[in-house]
Amino acid sequence: AQSVTQPDIHITVSEGASLELRCNYSYGATPYLFWYVQSPGQGLQLLLKYFSGDTLVQGIKGFEAEFKRSQSSFNLRKPSVHWSDAAEYFCAVVPSGAGSYQLTFGKGTKLSVIP
Amino acid sequence: EPEVTQTPSHQVTQMGQEVILRCVPISNHLYFYWYRQILGQKVEFLVSFYNNEISEKSEIFDDQFSVERPDGSNFTLKIRSTKLEDSAMYFCASSGSRNTEAFFGQGTRLTVV
Repeated sequence: AQSVTQPDIHITVSEGASLELRCNYSYGATPYLFWYVQSPGQGLQLLLKYFSGDTLVQGIKGFEAEFKRSQSSFNLRKPSVHWSDAAEYFCAVVPSGAGSYQLTFGKGTKLSVIP
Repeated sequence: EPEVTQTPSHQVTQMGQEVILRCVPISNHLYFYWYRQILGQKVEFLVSFYNNEISEKSEIFDDQFSVERPDGSNFTLKIRSTKLEDSAMYFCASSGSRNTEAFFGQGTRLTVV
């Protein structure tokens, strides 16, 4: 069964510092890959997605993610974190091609930002 | 910007009661989903719905659950007889096709007492 691992449960960074959130997946073929963000009391907002093509994808709010097939990873990055980025971040995958469209989520990484 | 809307934002119900969670997906979307997130746990898939029928469901989606698209705009999740363990945030989502991203609503927090 496919799975998504986000090894960091909680990360704290200073405002203005760079950020990298890790995501590894386990799946037979390259799935579609997503990062969602959930602010306190809010729903899930899509930050970016990877379906195919350029392995470095740009998203909203200055985020980017790089797909590395050899490492089965899809890490999320931001060069300079803002206080408003404090939220929980979820990596998710769905099988590519025909068939299931169940999103499988990681457990999430909670980001705290120190002013 | 089009969005998925869910009502109510918070519902408290007594164990054994029926609840209906409502969702209005993005208007031109064809695929609809329900997910849930128990407090402190990961978001889990419940069911997907396409062409007026369930296309996939998880083990969580047992006979107590049902979904319906009663008209051209609403998509509902019914829990027939709620249990304490049904307490969770329930997210509705929709997508335009299989190969595009799903957009999520703000969620309905269900509390069963």
